[in-house]
Amino acid sequence: EVQLVQSGAEVKKPGESLKISCKGSGYSFTSYWIGWVRQMPGKGLEWMAFFSPGNSDARYSPSFQGQVTISADKSARTAYLQWISLKASDTAIYYCARLVGGQIGGFFDSWGQGTLVTVSS
Amino acid sequence: QSALTQPRSVSGSPGQSVTISCTGISGDVGNFNFVSWYQQHPGRAPKLIIYDVSRRPSGVPDRFSGSKSGNTASLTISGLHGEDEADYYCCSYAGRYIMVLGGGTKLTVL
Repeated sequence: EVQLVQSGAEVKKPGESLKISCKGSGYSFTSYWIGWVRQMPGKGLEWMAFFSPGNSDARYSPSFQGQVTISADKSARTAYLQWISLKASDTAIYYCARLVGGQIGGFFDSWGQGTLVTVSS
Repeated sequence: QSALTQPRSVSGSPGQSVTISCTGISGDVGNFNFVSWYQQHPGRAPKLIIYDVSRRPSGVPDRFSGSKSGNTASLTISGLHGEDEADYYCCSYAGRYIMVLGGGTKLTVL
C-alpha cells in the first residue's frame, strides 16, 4: 500500500525557518515525483512544486518560486518543503502527494495527511 | 497562470445528477487531455477521483464521470449519495511543467 506520512503540526514566529517532511512507503520512492500543495485556511488547493527524488530535478509554480525550497533524501525515502524566513501569510495546511505520469500531465494519486503550519507572533 | 474557473457551489438531492464545470484557456484545459479531479471532505486530504479527463482510479464508483469540450472540463456525479457532499477541485496541465488547479466547488446534497 502506498503511504505518504507527513511530519506534525508546527507553530512558528515570523522570520523563523522551517522544514517539513513527507515519508513515502509501499512503492519505489525514486520512480515518482512528489508534489506539494498549499491550502490556506478556508481556501482552495494551490499547486506549489514538484520534485524528482530520482534525479533531484525540481519544478516550481511561478507563485512559489523563490519562496520555498523542495528537496528529498533518497536513502530516507523522505521529501522536504523548506522556508528560510516564514511570514504570517504562510499559515496553511501543506500536503505532499505522489505524482503519477511525471511532470508533464501527471496527477496526484496518493496524498499525505497534511501538515498544519501556523505562523504567528 | 490563473486558476481554473469552477462554480463556487452546486447542490442536488439524493439520486439526482449534478455536473461541475471547470473552465480554463486554450493553454491548459483546451490544449491537453491531462485533467484530473479531486474530492475533499472537511478536515481530510484530497482524493483522486478522475484523471486524464475521464479515467477513474480503481475503487472510485462509476457514478463519477469526467469529460471535456474545448476549454471546459466537467465532472458529473450521477445518483447522488449523501457521502458525496464535499469540495471538488479540477486540475490541468498548463504546459512548461506547470500544473493549475481550480478554485474548488462545494457540493451540497440536499
